[in-house]
Amino acid sequence: DTAVSQTPKYLVTQMGNDKSIKCEQNLGHDTMYWYKQDSKKFLKIMFSYNNKELIINETVPNRFSPKSPDKAHLNLHINSLELGDSAVYFCASSQGTGKNEQFFGPGTRLTVL
Amino acid sequence: GNSVTQMEGPVTLSEEAFLTINCTYTATGYPSLFWYVQYPGEGLQLLLKATKADDKGSNKGFEATYRKETTSFHLEKGSVQVSDSAVYFCALDGGYQKVTFGTGTKLQVIP
Repeated sequence: DTAVSQTPKYLVTQMGNDKSIKCEQNLGHDTMYWYKQDSKKFLKIMFSYNNKELIINETVPNRFSPKSPDKAHLNLHINSLELGDSAVYFCASSQGTGKNEQFFGPGTRLTVL
Repeated sequence: GNSVTQMEGPVTLSEEAFLTINCTYTATGYPSLFWYVQYPGEGLQLLLKATKADDKGSNKGFEATYRKETTSFHLEKGSVQVSDSAVYFCALDGGYQKVTFGTGTKLQVIP
C-alpha cells in the first residue's frame, strides 16, 4: 500500500536526452510537489500543484515541465538533460492548503553521463 | 522570506549518548515546525511536528519544543541507537503549500 510512488527508481541517461519521472499518490491529497536533492543532501522545492493547478514554480529552467493529469499524479518531464541535472528527485504530497506534513516518495536517482 | 538554519554535520555519537540538533528559523506570522528524517536510500518521513508556540512534538524518543521567543525548534533524544543513524531535516511551513527545509544534519551513531 505505497502512499507516494515514483518510477523509475534509477535513471541513467546521456546528456541531451529527454526523460520523464512519474509520481502517483493514493492518499487523496490535494497538493503535490517535486523536490531536487543534491549530493550534499540539500533539498530544494521545484514545483507545487494544488488540484492540478501550478502554484509554485521556483526558478527552475524551462527544460523542466511538470504535468498533472489528475490530482493523484504529478509527472516531471526534463528536456535536453545536462550534467548538472544529476540528483535525486523526490515527489511529495500533502492535504489541503494548511500547514500539514508532507508525504514523500522513495526518490528517483537521475544520473546524466 | 522564510528561512531555516540547522547545525552542520556530520554528528557522530556513541550509542546511548544524548543528542541535540539545533534548529532556528526566521518567519513571518505563525508557522508550523517539523522535523523530518531520511534513512539511507529512502525519502523523507515526518518525525515530529509542532503547530504553535510552546507545543512539544515527540515521537520514537525524540522531542522538540516550539520556542517563539528564541525562534528555535531543537531536536533532542536522551539515548541514541545505531538505528537512528540518518539525515535529519528541520522544516517550516508558513502556509500557501510552501515548506522551507534546512540543509539537513547527518547523524552517525556508532556501537
